[in-house]
Amino acid sequence: GAVVSQHPSRVICKSGTSVKIECRSLDFQATTMFWYRQFPKQSLMLMATSNEGSKATYEQGVEKDKFLINHASLTLSTLTVTSAHPEDSSFYICSAFRIGIPPTNEKLFFGSGTQLSVL
Amino acid sequence: RKEVEQDPGPFNVPEGATVAFNCTYSNSASQSFFWYRQDCRKEPKLLMSVYSSGNEDGRFTAQLNRASQYISLLIRDSKLSDSATYLCVVNKPGNTPLVFGKGTRLSVIA
Repeated sequence: GAVVSQHPSRVICKSGTSVKIECRSLDFQATTMFWYRQFPKQSLMLMATSNEGSKATYEQGVEKDKFLINHASLTLSTLTVTSAHPEDSSFYICSAFRIGIPPTNEKLFFGSGTQLSVL
Repeated sequence: RKEVEQDPGPFNVPEGATVAFNCTYSNSASQSFFWYRQDCRKEPKLLMSVYSSGNEDGRFTAQLNRASQYISLLIRDSKLSDSATYLCVVNKPGNTPLVFGKGTRLSVIA
């Protein structure tokens, strides 16, 4: 089953509105979560690193005042796209580290992603 | 030079074919390497980790060449269900996020 839950899976909004995307780690604490954005036929591009209890670290070129990240608890990080524009339309996906657990020892888990369409 | 480079494809192969993907990375200090699979508008899913000694999981074989900073993925006996985008992923040292390649698209044709 999913270990990282992301909601909503799809959102359509009008230009100028704000959209909040939630990313929850299930059954484990995630002090660090990552937010990626993926445009069609492009790779996943890291937007920011979300740190529990402190400010997020943004990648170069990502506007921190436009993409607000809040990581208020060890299981929840939110990304708010403020004053959305059509060029913000993209696939947004979060991920979280979990200490390796057998049998897979997989450490990085992804949310299911959010397809944002701004009209 | 991009951190992780892949041939975007697409690779169109018939069922049963063997196909190989290559990937190069620029940071010689990179420590961990992975192949992920991503279906359209879905989250990436770990296919396999890549070790210096090479590793195999069923029809999939991954190889790492640290000297050449090169990673490969071999898929044997391709199935229709293998159609997806395959992402080469590299982990830089420290508690840093993964770096993704652009992905290589594979279409397996009946």
